[in-house]
Amino acid sequence: NAGVTQTPKFQVLKTGQSMTLQCAQDMNHEYMSWYRQDPGMGLRLIHYSVGAGITDQGEVPNGYNVSRSTTEDFPLRLLSAAPSQTSVYFCASSYHRRASGGGTQYFGPGTRLLVL
Amino acid sequence: GESVGLHLPTLSVQEGDNSIINCAYSNSASDYFIWYKQESGKGPQFIIDIRSNMDKRQGQRVTVLLNKTVKHLSLQIAATQPGDSAVYFCAENMGKTSYDKVIFGPGTSLSVIP
Repeated sequence: NAGVTQTPKFQVLKTGQSMTLQCAQDMNHEYMSWYRQDPGMGLRLIHYSVGAGITDQGEVPNGYNVSRSTTEDFPLRLLSAAPSQTSVYFCASSYHRRASGGGTQYFGPGTRLLVL
Repeated sequence: GESVGLHLPTLSVQEGDNSIINCAYSNSASDYFIWYKQESGKGPQFIIDIRSNMDKRQGQRVTVLLNKTVKHLSLQIAATQPGDSAVYFCAENMGKTSYDKVIFGPGTSLSVIP
């Protein structure tokens, strides 16, 4: 298994540009989520999904959109990038958290985004 | 608002010594806690978890202690090794209806001195 994969590894955007961060997992996990990590800080939850076709907001959802058309993929879209969105973005997946009472989340390697 | 926080932002320990990383939480409804390790340039990696019906849980060289009375969580690493150098995060789930929202603390950086 490849686990959780993220592309691209690095990206530089200009203010106002749009882009999609890709995330895929091959573990048949129902739950997927996106976090952002700013320098010297912990991870903040952006959006999450408990299954295909179901998404919900986390702590910091503004400026980001998500969709979950398949179990495997959970892309994160920045519609109009802002310098405040400069961060490292991590995707994670796990088995259905409510059914399993929590459990291990598997994280991808991250995407480093710089918005100028 | 309610949050998970850490007492010490940095910790330096001698190789071979035991390390203790502390975490405070404020939500008494939280019933599931997780410790993650993040090495430089990588995503967080699950270490160990504990539920609120337990006081202690042991893994390989790691032990998590939960004190619900004072809302305190700690991670103990025995015989700390250079490979343990990383940032450690505690995280919580705020109740069974909120297992979907895992909230992370700010992290503690552990440096192991050879």
